[in-house]
Amino acid sequence: AQTVTQSQPEMSVQEAETVTLSCTYDTSESDYYLFWYKQPPSRQMILVIRQEAYKQQNATENRFSVNFQKAAKSFSLKISDSQLGDAAMYFCAYRSMASSDTGNQFYFGTGTSLTVIP
Amino acid sequence: AAGVIQSPRHLIKEKRETATLKCYPIPRHDTVYWYQQGPGQDPQFLISFYEKMQSDKGSIPDRFSAQQFSDYHSELNMSSLELGDSALYFCASSPGTDTYEQYFGPGTRLTVT
Repeated sequence: AQTVTQSQPEMSVQEAETVTLSCTYDTSESDYYLFWYKQPPSRQMILVIRQEAYKQQNATENRFSVNFQKAAKSFSLKISDSQLGDAAMYFCAYRSMASSDTGNQFYFGTGTSLTVIP
Repeated sequence: AAGVIQSPRHLIKEKRETATLKCYPIPRHDTVYWYQQGPGQDPQFLISFYEKMQSDKGSIPDRFSAQQFSDYHSELNMSSLELGDSALYFCASSPGTDTYEQYFGPGTRLTVT
């Protein structure tokens, strides 16, 4: 089964600064999707950004960007100009692109709790 | 835009009782996923349905069962509840099994006392 590892249980960043959250994963597949989800205190799971493994270009969404290193199986999230509203638990997730054997469920990392310091 | 609806949002049950959680997917979404997130843990996949048929099964206990109805809403039935079942239960939906994105509902917080 695929595994997703987030080695940073907690991170903090000063408001307006930049922070990078790490994620590594283990898979034998070549085609898959990677996601970062944000879970604020409301516990709603909110999609932040996604990356298709076949795309070499790193995904960006406004202040959020990823550094996708397929060979290293690394998928880090960079948050620029951090805002107080960015404070949340961030989960990295993996989903296979092959819908037969491995299914379509997400495999989540254990999360990184991000604190934004005013 | 319409989102995934889950009901109830909060549920308190005693040990050995039963609980039913409901999930209403986004309109025209035919695939539903259930996840369980324990306190301080990451979401764990339980089960999924596509076109009213079970499409995949994860770490769902035998005490739990689920189904998807003709209107695509899904229900998760939990029997003989245990203290360890206390968790946030997420439902997610997607338009088919081949699309990459799952849209999560707000979750149902189940507390077993």
